[in-house]
Amino acid sequence: ETGVTQSPTHLIKTRGQQVTLRCSSQSGHNTVSWYQQALGQGPQFIFQYYREEENGRGNFPPRFSGLQFPNYSSELNVNALELDDSALYLCASSSRAERGAQYFGPGTRLLVL
Amino acid sequence: GESVGLHLPTLSVQEGDNSIINCAYSNSASDYFIWYKQESGKGPQFIIDIRSNMDKRQGQRVTVLLNKTVKHLSLQIAATQPGDSAVYFCAESGDNYGQNFVFGPGTRLSVLP
Repeated sequence: ETGVTQSPTHLIKTRGQQVTLRCSSQSGHNTVSWYQQALGQGPQFIFQYYREEENGRGNFPPRFSGLQFPNYSSELNVNALELDDSALYLCASSSRAERGAQYFGPGTRLLVL
Repeated sequence: GESVGLHLPTLSVQEGDNSIINCAYSNSASDYFIWYKQESGKGPQFIIDIRSNMDKRQGQRVTVLLNKTVKHLSLQIAATQPGDSAVYFCAESGDNYGQNFVFGPGTRLSVLP
């Protein structure tokens, strides 16, 4: 088990609503990355946060936004939810200095109705 | 564009046999690769990584081989056990600081008794 935690574990929203997902990184890690994993597919990179700033972004619209806090924890916010946003949202922490592996949390399962 | 793919979407092996999971990548600039294992309802779990200055790396019961000439890597699992049943993903990174990992679609490994 990694030290990465995510909350909530499951969430149901309706189209048009907004959602906030939370992640606590593993001790000693200063970088948090978010991924979206649709059913039956591999994770897709959303963005990464380092030193409280976005540090790289995948092909996701601006309604996907995030924050990183001084303790390296992070939030993923999604506005104007669409049905296709239903997925497992994964948070991964890593150490930028080591440029090493990303360690994943258990994910938040989001269902948009 | 960047892409990582797998040759076989499913693989069934007898308990005790060796398993080989393959992955092709198309970004010649990729220099860091990770294999992850994902069990149902969990986040991806780090198995082993390899950098492009190596051809082979061994862990406990696992070996990763990297062939940069044909842009191919493989994961070998020795003496496959029932607990190895999961979906396996390869992930590649070509950025200096590993901001973006590109995942393949995954291979489901089923271990038969």
